[in-house]
Amino acid sequence: EAEVAQSPRYKITEKSQAVAFWCDPISGHATLYWYRQILGQGPELLVQFQDESVVDDSQLPKDRFSAERLKGVDSTLKIQPAELGDSAMYLCASSPRGERKQETQYFGPGTRLLVL
Amino acid sequence: SQQGEEDPQALSIQEGENATMNCSYKTSINNLQWYRQNSGRGLVHLILIRSNEREKHSGRLRVTLDTSKKSSSLLITASRAADTASYFCAPNTGGFKTIFGAGTRLFVKA
Repeated sequence: EAEVAQSPRYKITEKSQAVAFWCDPISGHATLYWYRQILGQGPELLVQFQDESVVDDSQLPKDRFSAERLKGVDSTLKIQPAELGDSAMYLCASSPRGERKQETQYFGPGTRLLVL
Repeated sequence: SQQGEEDPQALSIQEGENATMNCSYKTSINNLQWYRQNSGRGLVHLILIRSNEREKHSGRLRVTLDTSKKSSSLLITASRAADTASYFCAPNTGGFKTIFGAGTRLFVKA
């Protein structure tokens, strides 16, 4: 069964350093989401792509976070510089083309980030 | 887009017992979904119920939807230790954004 791939699974970095996460959605899925999940809370949407276009990045801290999906397939989320408060799980999800908006999302295993 | 609010925040039961979790939302929806998240992992889609459906089953899962009360419940029957996880509801208004609540943390004791 096809899955959403994410790497790395774990990342430890020092504050003020740059960090990047990668996501490969299920083949053919047009919609890709990046979420941040702080321990004990639900996932919070950071950015949503439809193909290569950003649909929603209203909650993305644009002074330090950036996201791209250049060819409408895989995606990279970057943080520069990292801050202590960025320690969280970063989840990627995708949805199939052709389904109505916001139907089933398929999540990757996540990247757990620890900023020291 | 809107947020579902799950209740209770935490639930602890014995293996074999049933677990019921509730979700409330504020405005009209197209459908409502339930997701499960095992500790340290991504979310897994469990079930989707449309606004014109009142009840749906999938294995040991039973979901009900009451649009007049703007609420949904997830029942897990004959729970197992492997059901220990966080459960999130996601009401869908047909908009672009899914807003997850804090979830219900279920602990099933063996």
